[in-house]
Amino acid sequence: EVQLVESGGGLIQPGRSLRLSCAASGFSFDDYAMHWVRQAPGKALEWVSGISWNIVDTAYADSVKGRFTISRDNARKSLHLQMSNLRVEDTAFYYCATYFGSGSYYDHWGQGTLVTVSS
Amino acid sequence: DIQMTQSPSTLSASVGDRVTITCRASQTISRWLAWYQQKPGKAPKLLIYKASNLEIGVPSRFSGNGSGTEFTLTISSLQPDDFATYYCQQYNSFGQGTKLEI
Repeated sequence: EVQLVESGGGLIQPGRSLRLSCAASGFSFDDYAMHWVRQAPGKALEWVSGISWNIVDTAYADSVKGRFTISRDNARKSLHLQMSNLRVEDTAFYYCATYFGSGSYYDHWGQGTLVTVSS
Repeated sequence: DIQMTQSPSTLSASVGDRVTITCRASQTISRWLAWYQQKPGKAPKLLIYKASNLEIGVPSRFSGNGSGTEFTLTISSLQPDDFATYYCQQYNSFGQGTKLEI
């Protein structure tokens, strides 16, 4: 069974940094691109960042470019999102998801971790 | 970037109804469109990919159609479990969601 388990969320002050992690199991992790998608409370889904299976390619939403860094460790089957200079508007549930590139869709999602940026 | 626009934003319906949600892309995307269902407090769940392919385990009352810039998600006979929010998606762009309510 595919499992994605996010961790690392919490309450953090504006301007500070936070690192999210996603532990994967039940599938060949290094066969998949992995992405982060977030959802502010009561709002729509918003793509944040993605990384290719071989770590060669990364991409970021304009809203986080220069502040967030995506990474992965295929040996440990883990995905990470280093978030710095956090803003109030970064408050959201953050989901990691497997991205099936051949079909351009997200087929498995974690349960999400909540990041609250507030003073 | 491609923009995805869903309509309606909210849809009121009853058990047994047939409902259709529309998603429009700002430029042609062939059939590279997926639909997701999300219930409160839960992660999104993939329903349909490549516009009309039903994900394994998804009931056959769900169907998708369309190509180019206009797509639809249809639920043929609403069940109580179907009241949720639905999103369309193309690569890194999501629609704004359609809340299906009683």
